[in-house]
Amino acid sequence: NAGVTQTPKFQVLKTGQSMTLQCAQDMNHEYMSWYRQDPGMGLRLIHYSVGAGITDQGEVPNGYNVSRSTTEDFPLRLLSAAPSQTSVYFCASSYSAGREQFFGPGTRLTVL
Amino acid sequence: GQNIDQPTEMTATEGAIVQINCTYQTSGFNGLFWYQQHAGEAPTFLSYNVLDGLEEKGRFSSFLSRSKGYSYLLLKELQMKDSASYLCAISGGSYIPTFGRGTSLIVHP
Repeated sequence: NAGVTQTPKFQVLKTGQSMTLQCAQDMNHEYMSWYRQDPGMGLRLIHYSVGAGITDQGEVPNGYNVSRSTTEDFPLRLLSAAPSQTSVYFCASSYSAGREQFFGPGTRLTVL
Repeated sequence: GQNIDQPTEMTATEGAIVQINCTYQTSGFNGLFWYQQHAGEAPTFLSYNVLDGLEEKGRFSSFLSRSKGYSYLLLKELQMKDSASYLCAISGGSYIPTFGRGTSLIVHP
């Protein structure tokens, strides 16, 4: 099993550009989530999904969109990148609520 | 809402024991997670406490008191490789855990 994979590993964008961060898992997990991690701020939840076709907002959803058309994939879209979105983005999955989350390796995004 | 507090940084000596505390306030509580995160890497799962008491896993133990809104992670026989951030997370009313800001542990010889 590959676990949770994320692409790209690094990305530099200019203000106003859009892009999609990819996340996939091969563990048949129903729960998937996106976090951003900034120095001194811990992991903050952006969006999450409890199954294909079901998504919901987390703590910091503004400027991001998600969709969950399959169990395996959970892409995160930045609509119009801003410098405030410079961060490390982690995707995570778990079998269900109350079960351990498995994290992808992260995407390091810089917005100029 | 949820509020989770952890010390920002701790230092300890190789071979010693260190206790990392986590206090929380939450409207709904299902359990408390501890994760370890080395610099530049993803978090990895350490423990999940649902009931009060101590759970031991090798050199690591985790304690929970639901009535006090308090947990700690105990690391014994510290090794240099234990230098990392330790993240406390609450599984509350929503489906996805909420994380504290993490405690950076520095182990020195």
